[in-house]
Amino acid sequence: ETGVTQTPRHLVMGMTNKKSLKCEQHLGHNAMYWYKQSAKKPLELMFVYSLEERVENNSVPSRFSPECPNSSHLFLHLHTLQPEDSALYLCASSEDVRDRNEQFFGPGTRLTVL
Amino acid sequence: KNQVEQSPQSLIILEGKNCTLQCNYTVSPFSNLRWYKQDTGRGPVSLTIMTFSENTKSNGRYTATLDADTKQSSLHITASQLSDSASYICVSLGGSYIPTFGRGTSLIVHP
Repeated sequence: ETGVTQTPRHLVMGMTNKKSLKCEQHLGHNAMYWYKQSAKKPLELMFVYSLEERVENNSVPSRFSPECPNSSHLFLHLHTLQPEDSALYLCASSEDVRDRNEQFFGPGTRLTVL
Repeated sequence: KNQVEQSPQSLIILEGKNCTLQCNYTVSPFSNLRWYKQDTGRGPVSLTIMTFSENTKSNGRYTATLDADTKQSSLHITASQLSDSASYICVSLGGSYIPTFGRGTSLIVHP
């Protein structure tokens, strides 16, 4: 285990639903990240948080809304998603936002939008 | 534009055989390069990391090489095992500290 947990592991939702993904890291890290991984594509960085402050938002649609209540927890709130949003959503953490390549990944949430 | 290209896209080998995966990067300035292993349905796990001054690094049966002049890296897997079946992702980090990910190589090891 990497010290980063994600729940749920699988999620199926309709386009009108509202759901949230949760990530928790037990490593004492200060930076947390959300990635989207679609089939045959490189990982896409969505959001970066450093000490609970959002430091990067990679032009992600507003139907994805992140929340970082403390340095150990990160949420991704989902609403009115589209079928093309179906993907594996990965959370990661690192000691510091400057060490973006020293990241530890969670197992991911497999999201299916019907 | 920073890019990482991996080849082959997929590879099938027999258990016990060796294989080599390739990564070409055009990240500038260059900070380091990392190889990750991602099992199906799991998150990526780091195998090796190399900086500009390192040209070889091993982790058990995995050996990564880096040629900073040609901007190429390879991951060599020795005596493959069924558990090596996974996607192998090359990631390069440049001066902006934003990682650039490759699409990955899908490796299948058959008994």
